[in-house]
Amino acid sequence: DAGVTQSPTHLIKTRGQHVTLRCSPISGHKSVSWYQQVLGQGPQFIFQYYEKEERGRGNFPDRFSARQFPNYSSELNVNALLLGDSALYLCASSLEGGGNQPQHFGDGTRLSIL
Amino acid sequence: GQQVMQIPQYQHVQEGEDFTTYCNSSTTLSNIQWYKQRPGGHPVFLIQLVKSGEVKKQKRLTFQFGEAKKNSSLHITATQTTDVGTYFCAGYTGRRALTFGSGTRLQVQP
Repeated sequence: DAGVTQSPTHLIKTRGQHVTLRCSPISGHKSVSWYQQVLGQGPQFIFQYYEKEERGRGNFPDRFSARQFPNYSSELNVNALLLGDSALYLCASSLEGGGNQPQHFGDGTRLSIL
Repeated sequence: GQQVMQIPQYQHVQEGEDFTTYCNSSTTLSNIQWYKQRPGGHPVFLIQLVKSGEVKKQKRLTFQFGEAKKNSSLHITATQTTDVGTYFCAGYTGRRALTFGSGTRLQVQP
């Protein structure tokens, strides 16, 4: 079975632009979570979706938004990009929502802001 | 808010030596998970601990959850070069979602 897939793998944007990152979960997984990982740090939680509903939101500004589709895939949108948004964005899927589920991570999208 | 600290930040060992990383939470946890991230890779789930004082083993890896459910440790016996990577703990309080520690980067000298 395929693992979690994310696209694109790399992206270069300039300040003020917006970006859409995509994630397809493992087949059968109904929950998708998004994390931001800055070099040298652990993943920081952004959003969790379960059955197409937002189940959790981390301490990120409103410029960050996400949604989950009927097929359980997900998009993360970031508006008005700042230099500080440069990071690896990781998507993780799990069978169900909540923080007691093992997270299965994709390879991530590396976003660079110039 | 909840904070999860890990020490040390970095450890360099000779192959065959033991390694331990410690994880401390500012709040009581419902469960704790451990992940390994190889250089250039993504975090990979290793294990979850749920019960107070729980100890689990995976071959050369031993995971412990503290009695107060606020700390945890990962011990690797006789490290190998394949153990290289960053080890993260991630705690869950029952609210919101997982909070990851800052990780311990392990380097193993052959």
